[in-house]
Formats: sequence, C-alpha cells, structure tokens
Amino acid sequence: QKEVEQDPGPLSVPEGAIVSLNCTYSNSAFQYFMWYRQYSRKGPELLMYTYSSGNKEDGRFTAQVDKSSKYISLFIRDSQPSDSATYLCAMGDFGNEKLTFGTGTRLTIIP
Amino acid sequence: DVKVTQSSRYLVKRTGEKVFLECVQDMDHENMFWYRQDPGLGLRLIYFSYDVKMKEKGDIPEGYSVSREKKERFSLILESASTNQTSMYLCASSSVWVGAITGANVLTFGAGSRLTVL
Repeated sequence: QKEVEQDPGPLSVPEGAIVSLNCTYSNSAFQYFMWYRQYSRKGPELLMYTYSSGNKEDGRFTAQVDKSSKYISLFIRDSQPSDSATYLCAMGDFGNEKLTFGTGTRLTIIP
Repeated sequence: DVKVTQSSRYLVKRTGEKVFLECVQDMDHENMFWYRQDPGLGLRLIYFSYDVKMKEKGDIPEGYSVSREKKERFSLILESASTNQTSMYLCASSSVWVGAITGANVLTFGAGSRLTVL
C-alpha cells in the first residue's frame, strides 16, 4: 500500500465550477501537508500548506485536512482555465528532509 | 527571478552513455534533491543532500550517483544510461528555516530536465 494515494484523474470541469481534489495517507507521523501545482513542461510550485486539521483559505483555494481520517482536500472555487494543471499533494514530518508526494491529479478547466 | 536552474531542459542520449544533470540554486538552501517524475508513479526521490559533500539515498538510487561540491550546486550522474532511465528529472532545494514556514520542508523546484535514452 502506498503511503499517499491520489486519484490521477484526468478531471475535466467547466469554467466556474467548484473542484475538489483529494489525497489519503496511511502514515500518522505526517505533520504538515502541502499542495503543489504543476503546469505542463514546468516544475511543481507550492500552492498551499497547512499544519493542522481544519480549513485554510487563500483566495479561491481552500485546503482541508482531516487527520483523524487521514484525508486531505484542495477545493478550487470559481475555477478558471488558468487553473488547468496537475495538482500534487505532499506531506512530511518536522525534522525530516524528505517529503512524500501523491501521484498527481491532472485537471482541465473547460472554457 | 529564477531560483533553481537546471542546465538542460531536453537531452537525448544513447544506452551506455554517461549523463550529467546539473542543478544550481541561488537561495542559499542547505537541502537539495533529485526526483524523477513518471506518469502514474508521481515524484520519486533519487538522492538528496543536506550539506556540501553529504548525500543520502532516496527511494530509487540504483543506477544513479550525485555530487555536491558547492552549496549551490547538485549534480545527478547516470554512469551508464539505460532506456528505463528515460524520464523527467526534477531538482529541488529547501531550507527548513524558510520564512514563516519554520520546520516545514518547502521545496522549490527547477523546470525539469526531460531525458530520453535510446
């Protein structure tokens, strides 16, 4: 069983829709959680991070963590064509240089 | 505003060739990483380095070696390239004391090097 599971998609939604991207994990040692966005032919870039269970908002993006269920989500409101990218979840624990990544979900927003 | 630079975006090599992938960061980060990214497998850690001349094996080090002679530079070496090493290679760096994200290992990635081995 992989430490981090992420639905690979692809996921296509119309512009303006709410998008939900999800990851589950099995390692209870993970203490912080991140979402990276990767545009085609580019490297991943950090989108959001959070340490604790609950929600964190940043503009149209909301990161949600449920440590009891070992489940994290990224919600995108009012999705735009510029949101079309691959989204990778990542998680780690303090003092450990290594992150564990999900396999990524490819998202396409249709104008 | 470039922070992590990978010297080659696209390379085509032949089986058995020695391949060098170079990565330079200008953020004075302690940690540097090499990942490969393949469809359906995500990012897999090959090697990382937490200091000059220090290296640690990641999850898939076989067939690779690394070199870190200077803090800003981390090289990935394929001693004898094979077709199963055809992949996208991503370099990243981090500092556990980055800004307000104390303790969290936030990676900054380069644009990637797409290697094809024929």
